[in-house]
Amino acid sequence: DIQLTQSPSFLSASVGDRVTITCRASQGISRYLAWYQQKPGKAPNLLIYGASTLQSGVPSRFSGSGSGTEFTLTISSLQPEDFATYYCQHLDTYPPFTFGPGTKVDIK
Amino acid sequence: EVQLVQSGAEVKKPGESLKISCKGSGYSFTNYWVAWVRQMPGKGLEWMGIIYPDDSETTYSPSFQGQVTISADKSISTAYLQWHSLKASDTAMYYCARPYSGSWSDPLDIWGQGTMVTVSS
Repeated sequence: DIQLTQSPSFLSASVGDRVTITCRASQGISRYLAWYQQKPGKAPNLLIYGASTLQSGVPSRFSGSGSGTEFTLTISSLQPEDFATYYCQHLDTYPPFTFGPGTKVDIK
Repeated sequence: EVQLVQSGAEVKKPGESLKISCKGSGYSFTNYWVAWVRQMPGKGLEWMGIIYPDDSETTYSPSFQGQVTISADKSISTAYLQWHSLKASDTAMYYCARPYSGSWSDPLDIWGQGTMVTVSS
């Protein structure tokens, strides 16, 4: 099965900061990667799929890049509503479609 | 509106059985896979398995194979997650979710509100 790691696991940032989260896959998954945001007590929300395609309704300050085994999620200017936990998920052909362990973005 | 509505929170004792549900509406339930995702308290998301309601084709993560049963009743647009003998370690929030189109490998864009299962003696 494909394993995902995320770094950092926790980051503290200020409003307006540029934030980058990395997701690495244990084997090449082309661009079959999605990113989700989860706020406390809520279900996850799809942000990006296909490594870089923004889901409808997601603000343009979110962007994704990468292919193969290394991917990044970038928030260009962190807003108060962006403090949350972010997960990557691989979607390469066959299940299990595992999630990364998550990155919690907290207020500095 | 496309939505998945899950059954309410459950409190059970170890060894008891449980079946929780996820009802789809606003779309053709039989044409979309339904996935189940576990989130233990304070922990991350775990992909458990997925079912195609039209023919009940099901695939499990190896971590959950034999531990739970995923099923569906297409006549009432409902998917289920079932345990035959609960353990304290099954305490978690369980989400159902739908890929955004007809493939099991599409990203999950519709999520249920979650069902909290608490197993305690």
